[in-house]
Amino acid sequence: NAGVTQTPKFQVLKTGQSMTLQCAQDMNHEYMSWYRQDPGMGLRLIHYSVGAGITDQGEVPNGYNVSRSTTEDFPLRLLSAAPSQTSVYFCASSYFSGTGYNSPLHFGNGTRLTVT
Amino acid sequence: GESVGLHLPTLSVQEGDNSIINCAYSNSASDYFIWYKQESGKGPQFIIDIRSNMDKRQGQRVTVLLNKTVKHLSLQIAATQPGDSAVYFCAENRGAGNMLTFGGGTRLMVKP
Repeated sequence: NAGVTQTPKFQVLKTGQSMTLQCAQDMNHEYMSWYRQDPGMGLRLIHYSVGAGITDQGEVPNGYNVSRSTTEDFPLRLLSAAPSQTSVYFCASSYFSGTGYNSPLHFGNGTRLTVT
Repeated sequence: GESVGLHLPTLSVQEGDNSIINCAYSNSASDYFIWYKQESGKGPQFIIDIRSNMDKRQGQRVTVLLNKTVKHLSLQIAATQPGDSAVYFCAENRGAGNMLTFGGGTRLMVKP
């Protein structure tokens, strides 16, 4: 059971380039989400998904796209990278516990992205 | 706007002492709170959670206290160890959907 796996661990992009950050989980969790972490600002929610085929925007969605074709995978796409997107990106997943709350989020180890 | 925040950005404690990390929240609709620990180069790791119908919850060496009157959350770590050195985040969840709002984090440094 690998948990939440993110690739790549590090990436450097030039302004205007596109790329996809990969996230996969093997826990059969319904809920998946993407956060970015910037110094002094904690983690901010970008997009999330409550199941295959369903996605929604979080707090800071601009400049990012997501899709959820399978339960396991939740890729994050940067269509035209900007220096403001330099950050550490975390993918997280959880399951619906049936109590009205999700289980606590399980996080991957992050992708460190630099846009020059 | 409403947010989750922390009183102290850095806390330095002696090994073996107890640590207390504080968090203030301003959203009275929040009903579920979580503490995460983040070590360098890793993702946040769940420590303990508490629902708003409780005011205290204990885990192994950790205790979370919730004071809804003053909208305050604290994490107590007993007999702090070097392995406890990390950044600690509190987060609030306003209900089903797991849209967590995180505080800015407190760095805990344990002196040998």
